[in-house]
Amino acid sequence: EVQLLESRGGLVQPGGSRRLSCAASGFSFSTYAMSWVRQAPGKGLEWVAAMSGSGDTTYYSDSAQGRFTISRDNSKNTLYLQMNSLRAEDTAVYYCAKGGGSYSFYFDHWGQGALVTVSS
Amino acid sequence: EIVLTQSPGTLSLSPGERATLSCRASQSVGSNYLAWYHQKPGQAPRLLIYGASNRATGIPDKFSGSGSGTDFTLTISRLEPEDFAVYYCQQYGSSPITFGQGTRLENK
Repeated sequence: EVQLLESRGGLVQPGGSRRLSCAASGFSFSTYAMSWVRQAPGKGLEWVAAMSGSGDTTYYSDSAQGRFTISRDNSKNTLYLQMNSLRAEDTAVYYCAKGGGSYSFYFDHWGQGALVTVSS
Repeated sequence: EIVLTQSPGTLSLSPGERATLSCRASQSVGSNYLAWYHQKPGQAPRLLIYGASNRATGIPDKFSGSGSGTDFTLTISRLEPEDFAVYYCQQYGSSPITFGQGTRLENK
């Protein structure tokens, strides 16, 4: 059974940093692309960042480019999202999501989500 | 960036009825890399359709996807109570990956 377990989010001050992690199990982690998708309270889905299965290719949304870094440790079956210079508008539930293939970015499994609140 | 526009914003139907949801892209979606999800309150989204017309594992055949290029449709043939949710389309044919704004399917 595929499982994706995000670390807890939490409260972060504006300008601060937070690293999210997503522990994966039940599939061959290095074979699949992984992404982060977020959802602001009461709003729709917004893709944040993606990484290929091997980690050789990364993609970022404009809002994430330059502030967020996606990475993965295939030896630990774990995906990360390092978020810096956080703003109030980054407040959202962050989901990690498994891709349909190594370079395929539809999302066939999702984690439970981690709420990150950016506020003073 | 490919902008996806979903219509209608809200669809009010009764159990047993047929639902037709639309997703229109601002430019052609490469390789018809278009997916559909639904999301119930307090839950993560669930994949229904990928590649415009391929049902995901475990998704019943009452869900069907069609379309190509810039116009895509999700059809639910016979609504059941558990189908009332928010539905999103997503294109993954080019970066940035984008989602539509969602269609809320509500029980009339």
